Amino acid sequence: AQKITQTQPGMFVQEKEAVTLDCTYDTSDPSYGLFWYKQPSSGEMIFLIYQGSYDQQNATEGRYSLNFQKARKSANLVISASQLGDSAMYFCAMRDSTGANSKLTFGKGITLSVRP
Amino acid sequence: NAGVTQTPKFQVLKTGQSMTLQCAQDMNHEYMSWYRQDPGMGLRLIHYSVGAGITDQGEVPNGYNVSRSTTEDFPLRLLSAAPSQTSVYFCASSYTGTQKKAFFGQGTRLTVV
Repeated sequence: AQKITQTQPGMFVQEKEAVTLDCTYDTSDPSYGLFWYKQPSSGEMIFLIYQGSYDQQNATEGRYSLNFQKARKSANLVISASQLGDSAMYFCAMRDSTGANSKLTFGKGITLSVRP
Repeated sequence: NAGVTQTPKFQVLKTGQSMTLQCAQDMNHEYMSWYRQDPGMGLRLIHYSVGAGITDQGEVPNGYNVSRSTTEDFPLRLLSAAPSQTSVYFCASSYTGTQKKAFFGQGTRLTVV
């Protein structure tokens, strides 16, 4: 069964510094996708970045990058040059092809607070 | 494009009442799903569908029904609301496939008193 684990307590980072948000996952399927979403206080879910299990390089999207370590089953999100607007809840998610239904499973989320 | 449209945005129900949360998408996505979000619990999957006429249970299906008669619509029915169903509900849709990102509605904040 799919499982996503996000165990960090609330995270704090100084504005303009980099921060890493941890995510580990568990699946027996060799084909899977990993996603990060941001949820600001307004409540909407915003897609940030995607990493495929067969991708050879770590994904990057602007200030977001994904530190993908397949053997360790980790997919940590790195935010560079933090901004006040990065304060939000961040969710790691995964979908695999088990049963051909590709359910999307989420972790419990991490709250990030950016200090000025 | 409208994307994923959820209605209503807010709802207060009395215990035992029934209601339907509406979800519609205009992207021709095969996959649609409902999640509930509770503090400290992340997003938990209630029900999902991979196409018209096909639905399946997620992690927390009890107390909820769904149907998928069209590609566009995926309503979530609360048969007899309970205070434990007080939550924020999200509808999401996507194409099927491990590499496909999901698009979310704006959420429905439901309070059962």
